[in-house]
Parts: sequence; C-alpha cells; structure tokens
Amino acid sequence: DQQVKQNSPSLSVQEGRISILNCDYTNSMFDYFLWYKKYPAEGPTFLISISSIKDKNEDGRFTVFLNKSAKHLSLHIVPSQPGDSAVYFCAAVTGGFKTIFGAGTRLFVKA
Amino acid sequence: DVKVTQSSRYLVKRTGEKVFLECVQDMDHENMFWYRQDPGLGLRLIYFSYDVKMKEKGDIPEGYSVSREKKERFSLILESASTNQTSMYLCASSYQTGGSQPQHFGDGTRLSIL
Repeated sequence: DQQVKQNSPSLSVQEGRISILNCDYTNSMFDYFLWYKKYPAEGPTFLISISSIKDKNEDGRFTVFLNKSAKHLSLHIVPSQPGDSAVYFCAAVTGGFKTIFGAGTRLFVKA
Repeated sequence: DVKVTQSSRYLVKRTGEKVFLECVQDMDHENMFWYRQDPGLGLRLIYFSYDVKMKEKGDIPEGYSVSREKKERFSLILESASTNQTSMYLCASSYQTGGSQPQHFGDGTRLSIL
C-alpha cells in the first residue's frame, strides 16, 4: 500500500512556463514533506521541504504548497528551465527520520 | 562539500553469490540508509541505522543484511543473490536531529544478478 503517491509518471512543459508536480499521501501523521530531484546516473538531491504545520514554502523558483485537508502537496517551478529536466520525488517523513518516497515524476522542459 | 560514496557504480554477480555493497560518508552523520530504486516503485527502504552497530529493518529487508561497525561506513549484504535483486541501490545519510533534515545520497550502484 503506497502511502505517498505521484500519479503522473511524466510531465512535459515549455521553457519559461510553470511546472506543477503533484503528490498525494494517506498518512496524516507525517511530520515533514520533502522534494528531491534526480538526474540520470546521480543520486537524488534535496530540493525543498515543508513542515506539516505550514501551507507554503518558497525558495527562489521553487514553491511547495501543502493542503492537509486534501492530503495533497505540489511543487511549482516558475519559470521552468531546460536544466530542470529530471525525475522529481516527493517524500514524507514520519517518526523522526523514516522517509517514504513516491514513485517519481519525470519532468521534461522543452527549449 | 558533503559526500556519500558508494564503492561501485556497476556490479554484475551470479545467482547464489554473497554480494557486498559499501557506502562511506564524510559528514559525521548519525543516520545511514539503504534503498533500492525500481521503475514505477520509487525508492524503497531496505535497512537503516541510527548509530554504530544499530540497525532497523525498512520496508523490504528480506534477503538483505547490513553492517555498521564504524560511524562513516554502512554495508549492505545480499546473503545469496537472486535475480529479483537486480536493481539500482542507493545509500544515503542524514543528521540525527529532526525529520526536516534531508538525506544526502550517493550516486548509486547498479547491480545485475545473472
């Protein structure tokens, strides 16, 4: 039973436009949510996080929104750049540091 | 700069072999993790360790064991490799305190079991 779901395996966006990556979860006890980015042949790297007590966190072009009532979070990238093309993993943390990852969404940003 | 190093990028082994995957971090992190990544399944936790000589099972520990004799090193052992253990294996580490601490990953070991 997947507790963290990324229902879109891939997303294609034009350069300069907004990319919106979505993530749904089932466990209301998650403390933090994180997004990681992964390029081919590299390990995932941390991008941005949000506490369960917040509804928004922003870092430059990246903003994460959390809707606790819907058990949904999203990552917005504005403006999208070709270098943003990668696999994005949504992750949720419970019990201090146990992290559960979604299946990932592959983002293509077209020049 | 933080660094998690996995000993091999690619590894090919035969069914029934005992396989060792090594991971070293230079950040003095308390927590270390082993994941496998498979298409459509994301990253699944095999084992983690929150201190030297301490280990906890993750979501898919069957067929695996781990060893953490030193703080900086966390080894994953496939006791008797099987073809369904062909996968990308990722090691990660993080600070002990707080769930918001992100994990730092190595570049992965692509393991093929023939």
